[in-house]
Amino acid sequence: DAGVTQSPTHLIKTRGQHVTLRCSPISGHKSVSWYQQVLGQGPQFIFQYYEKEERGRGNFPDRFSARQFPNYSSELNVNALLLGDSALYLCASSLRDSPYGYTFGSGTRLTVV
Amino acid sequence: AQTVTQSQPEMSVQEAETVTLSCTYDTSESNYYLFWYKQPPSRQMILVIRQEAYKQQNATENRFSVNFQKAAKSFSLKISDSQLGDTAMYFCAFMKLETGTASKLTFGTGTRLQVTL
Repeated sequence: DAGVTQSPTHLIKTRGQHVTLRCSPISGHKSVSWYQQVLGQGPQFIFQYYEKEERGRGNFPDRFSARQFPNYSSELNVNALLLGDSALYLCASSLRDSPYGYTFGSGTRLTVV
Repeated sequence: AQTVTQSQPEMSVQEAETVTLSCTYDTSESNYYLFWYKQPPSRQMILVIRQEAYKQQNATENRFSVNFQKAAKSFSLKISDSQLGDTAMYFCAFMKLETGTASKLTFGTGTRLQVTL
């Protein structure tokens, strides 16, 4: 079975641009969460979606948005990119919104120049 | 808000030896989970071990075990018989349980573990 798939793996954008990151959860998993990991720090929670509804949002500005599709895949969108948005963006999926069975993808490395 | 503190930025251990990584956390919650995740250079976060706060017995997974001290809010990870493949960043994480809200993980800043020959 395929694990959590994220695309692209690497991305370089210019300040002010928009970016869309994609995540395909493990088949059958209905919950998707997004985390931002700045170099040298632990991941920080951005969003969680369960059954296509937003269940929670971390302390991130409105430039960050996300959605979950009927097939449970998810997109993370970031508008008006800042240099500080440079980070590894991790997606995690699970069967339910529970602490069991979280599986992380390998992330998208975003560099803003 | 919950906080997780890992006070050891880097540690080194020789192959086959035992090493303990420290983690403390701060919360007013009574119902929560604690985790240790491993992040190798491949970047994927891999679950090492999980502990339910209501369980007094310390969790073990093969060579990995924890020392959970709820009153002291301490959650250390012991790796026995260290292997070269254990070289990675290790993150301690906290999750509170609350029905109907996001089950988000709060991570510490990590400990870089190097296993040497």
